[in-house]
Amino acid sequence: EAQVTQNPRYLITVTGKKLTVTCSQNMNHEYMSWYRQDPGLGLRQIYYSMNVEVTDKGDVPEGYKVSRKEKRNFPLILESPSPNQTSLYFCASRPAGGNINNEQFFGPGTRLTVL
Amino acid sequence: AQTVTQSQPEMSVQEAETVTLSCTYDTSENNYYLFWYKQPPSRQMILVIRQEAYKQQNATENRFSVNFQKAAKSFSLKISDSQLGDTAMYFCAFMDSNYQLIWGAGTKLIIKP
Repeated sequence: EAQVTQNPRYLITVTGKKLTVTCSQNMNHEYMSWYRQDPGLGLRQIYYSMNVEVTDKGDVPEGYKVSRKEKRNFPLILESPSPNQTSLYFCASRPAGGNINNEQFFGPGTRLTVL
Repeated sequence: AQTVTQSQPEMSVQEAETVTLSCTYDTSENNYYLFWYKQPPSRQMILVIRQEAYKQQNATENRFSVNFQKAAKSFSLKISDSQLGDTAMYFCAFMDSNYQLIWGAGTKLIIKP
């Protein structure tokens, strides 16, 4: 089954404790992206990757890191989480290019709470 | 910078009624794509419908249709014969020339039995 998986689905942590949210897709997509969703703000892009070893900042990259060593994986790293990073996080992937038929597939989301 | 505005934070209608969700956007580009996504309580993001800006014909997917007014930069979603399963957050999104999606804040739609 074609899918994007994220782990963990739920995480409660404390300020300053490094964490990683994993994202993996099995569709051989070149493009992957991380978003955060907050009430009243919709989805905001954190980082994206057009292909292996290529990553770029989105609209809200501060406090986050990513890496793209393999095509299928795109982990999101919070080196020193803070309470303002409490949010719902989505990973997404799609084929390269902006063809309208290149639908973006989303993972199930990760609910992160930083105390 | 492109922006997407959904002016209705929350709406509710009776089952079987028709409802229209509004979306406006701001861009100087001529060719772009527009999308509506649904997010039910399960939190999964589901693509509902998509529209290419150069196509004048409004997109339709079963009970879902759009009213695309390019000059007015408006992209509303109409849901006909609404069902309880349509209860969800609905997000309007704009794909820019760099193929990045820019999202509206969302409209919470409640279908009442």
